[in-house]
Amino acid sequence: EPEVTQTPSHQVTQMGQEVILRCVPISNHLYFYWYRQILGQKVEFLVSFYNNEISEKSEIFDDQFSVERPDGSNFTLKIRSTKLEDSAMYFCASSRQVTYEQYFGPGTRLTVT
Amino acid sequence: AQRVTQPEKLLSVFKGAPVELKCNYSYSGSPELFWYVQYSRQRLQLLLRHISRESIKGFTADLNKGETSFHLKKPFAQEEDSAMYYCALKRDDKIIFGKGTRLHILP
Repeated sequence: EPEVTQTPSHQVTQMGQEVILRCVPISNHLYFYWYRQILGQKVEFLVSFYNNEISEKSEIFDDQFSVERPDGSNFTLKIRSTKLEDSAMYFCASSRQVTYEQYFGPGTRLTVT
Repeated sequence: AQRVTQPEKLLSVFKGAPVELKCNYSYSGSPELFWYVQYSRQRLQLLLRHISRESIKGFTADLNKGETSFHLKKPFAQEEDSAMYYCALKRDDKIIFGKGTRLHILP
């Protein structure tokens, strides 16, 4: 069964550095999402992406964040200048249609020191 | 504002006993509600959605609009049910999660 994959599984970076988190959605899916979960807190929506555009973003998704689908398979989340409070588990998800089930990746744990 | 509340952080239940994981929501309009499960070291996966009204792994959940609840139930707990359970609602294309309840099945 096809799955969403994410790399790396764990990323450690210093405050102020740029990070790129990578996701490979399921191949026939058209909608892509990023969520994050700070330790001990709930999973929070960051952004949704369709047809090479952001379709919705949360207030967390400020100018420090960007998403891209650089080729036909990858979907990336970039944080330009990381802060300590960006430390979290970042989940990618994809769905075939907006009304269909969202399938989640295993997550990337980002640690900002 | 849309919100999902799971009042219990941890629920411990003996194997064979009934399970009920509580979930309340706040949403104006007709909500689409889900339960997601995350087993140890595995990814979040959809357990069930209210519109399908199906039973998955013995779990059921009924939407009660009067009480704005969507509690997850199973009549007889099994050890493999130990996991983190998240109640969630969907608004447009985003999912709003509750904080989750860790279900621990005692032998």
